[in-house]
Amino acid sequence: GAVVSQHPSRVICKSGTSVKIECRSLDFQATTMFWYRQFPKQSLMLMATSNEGSKATYEQGVEKDKFLINHASLTLSTLTVTSAHPEDSSFYICSAPALAGGTDTQYFGPGTRLTVL
Amino acid sequence: KNEVEQSPQNLTAQEGEFITINCSYSVGISALHWLQQHPGGGIVSLFMLSSGKKKHGRLIATINIQEKHSSLHITASHPRDSAVYICAAHTGKLIFGQGTTLQVKP
Repeated sequence: GAVVSQHPSRVICKSGTSVKIECRSLDFQATTMFWYRQFPKQSLMLMATSNEGSKATYEQGVEKDKFLINHASLTLSTLTVTSAHPEDSSFYICSAPALAGGTDTQYFGPGTRLTVL
Repeated sequence: KNEVEQSPQNLTAQEGEFITINCSYSVGISALHWLQQHPGGGIVSLFMLSSGKKKHGRLIATINIQEKHSSLHITASHPRDSAVYICAAHTGKLIFGQGTTLQVKP
């Protein structure tokens, strides 16, 4: 079946630094990828939709200058958290839609746990 | 009120019990997803439904489009079913319920 990977799986950084998270579709092409954030004990929230070859679409309340998204190829989207602060500490997950058995479904990456000190 | 509501929030069951998790939504959808999230955080898509019923092993998902309601059933539950189960309404993007934490005791 389709596989989505994320790198790194876990990152700890100092406040003020930038962190890049990669999301790759390993055996299928994804013109669209989604980025989510999950705080402890809460459900996922969509941050932005990443579109290959064009600008990402951000959800209300998500700062596009803070969370930079680049979808440079059909298999790779990156999320860069710029000037990270402790309140950015969260679990970041990506997903990509793919056809499976004739049905469009979502494949999720394993997630990246970001801790900002 | 959230656009996607799940119940119960927490559920504890004995091994072998039949389990039902409910999901109600107030938005127009093209499909509804049921997801499973294990303690490490990884998410697996269990079902995507636009009508009727789907079955995979011990898992059954149903949806009633008119009533805007879906259920996930687990038959003969097992401790390895312990996880957070999330329903998500597909409206062009996914809107998630708050999740149901299931613990199945041996």
